[in-house]
Amino acid sequence: QVQLQESGPGLVKPSETLSLTCTVSGGSISHYYWSWIRQPPGKGLEWIGCVHYSGSTNYYPSLKSRVTISLDTSKNQFSLKLSSVTADDTAVYYCARDWELGHWGQGSLVTVSS
Amino acid sequence: SSDLTQDPAVSVALGQTVRITCQGDSLRSSYANWYQQKPGQAPLLVIYGKNTRPSGIPDRFSGSSSGNTASLTITGTQAEDEADYYCNSRDITGNHLVFGGGTKLTVL
Repeated sequence: QVQLQESGPGLVKPSETLSLTCTVSGGSISHYYWSWIRQPPGKGLEWIGCVHYSGSTNYYPSLKSRVTISLDTSKNQFSLKLSSVTADDTAVYYCARDWELGHWGQGSLVTVSS
Repeated sequence: SSDLTQDPAVSVALGQTVRITCQGDSLRSSYANWYQQKPGQAPLLVIYGKNTRPSGIPDRFSGSSSGNTASLTITGTQAEDEADYYCNSRDITGNHLVFGGGTKLTVL
């Protein structure tokens, strides 16, 4: 059974870059699309973007200018970078597999604060 | 605002049937997926595609679609079904995912 686990700093300063990694176990990352989704406290879900195992990416238009998603097949990981963060980027960040989002990580709370 | 529209809250009596709806232009060309989220947990896929349940999802969950509206139906609702439910689909370009704002289901 495939499992996903997010990791990264829980606190990021305003204007800096948020960086998270998702480690995939129980299956190869060299298949499927791999997505990042976020959920601000008490609010709904927002898709950030995805990366295909070929390396191609798709980003949500409103975040596209600040987002980079990449993968490292040697480590079976993919990562998220979100630049120039503000308090509005405070959220639980989830990684998930494929367009159906059938497998999710447990989520990682990232707070943007000085 | 969300690209897909859901009622913020719905309630249902224990054992009864409830329908949760999701509206949006993208649903005319893409199926909706449905997720259940309980407090403090990651979302769980309960319906995807035309009407497919992942392994382990009870058959009381079903999905349907007509025009720009997708529906999640829970038949014989159980207390453990109380949760937030989100729909999503590909957008009209097919290159992005969009979510509904979520529906809080209360089981009375």
